[in-house]
Amino acid sequence: AAGVIQSPRHLIKEKRETATLKCYPIPRHDTVYWYQQGPGQDPQFLISFYEKMQSDKGSIPDRFSAQQFSDYHSELNMSSLELGDSALYFCASSLVKRQGAGEQFFGPGTRLTVL
Amino acid sequence: SQQGEEDPQALSIQEGENATMNCSYKTSINNLQWYRQNSGRGLVHLILIRSNEREKHSGRLRVTLDTSKKSSSLLITASRAADTASYFCATELPNDYKLSFGAGTTVTVRA
Repeated sequence: AAGVIQSPRHLIKEKRETATLKCYPIPRHDTVYWYQQGPGQDPQFLISFYEKMQSDKGSIPDRFSAQQFSDYHSELNMSSLELGDSALYFCASSLVKRQGAGEQFFGPGTRLTVL
Repeated sequence: SQQGEEDPQALSIQEGENATMNCSYKTSINNLQWYRQNSGRGLVHLILIRSNEREKHSGRLRVTLDTSKKSSSLLITASRAADTASYFCATELPNDYKLSFGAGTTVTVRA
């Protein structure tokens, strides 16, 4: 079965550079989520999209932006990178039903290292 | 602050023993989910329990939910070395599809 695909898997950037992370959700899933997991920490919600519209926003810095495209893939754009942005970035997708989003399917993550 | 808190932070057990970890949360939920994460890898969904359910089983996993105490527990029976991982609880709130994760419990199963 198809899973959530993320690219790249690893990314090394310098401070003040920009980075773009890509996510391809499971086909027919209507909601995409982005989470950030710092070293030794739990995942923190950044932003989500439902049917290509931004549906919720968490603790996402103003330097970050995201969008979902017509083919349902999503990109997380990060500018003016800081050392503290080094983390695992997960994309997840789900199919929202009447009783809620339910199980979210996570991609393998992109490990971003800012030097 | 995060919705879910877990204890213990770390657990070390012998293969074959049971592992129990607990999760507490603060507000009413739609459902509570448990995920496993091997070191630096992706999150794997284990089990989901809805707010109107009290207990759920999946293979060697047993999850309970006590909405009056706003707490849940995950029991792994007959643990194996392959169960070594971090386990996170995550809550989905009503009309709010994002997940709020707890701090996680790191489980080490010794062979």
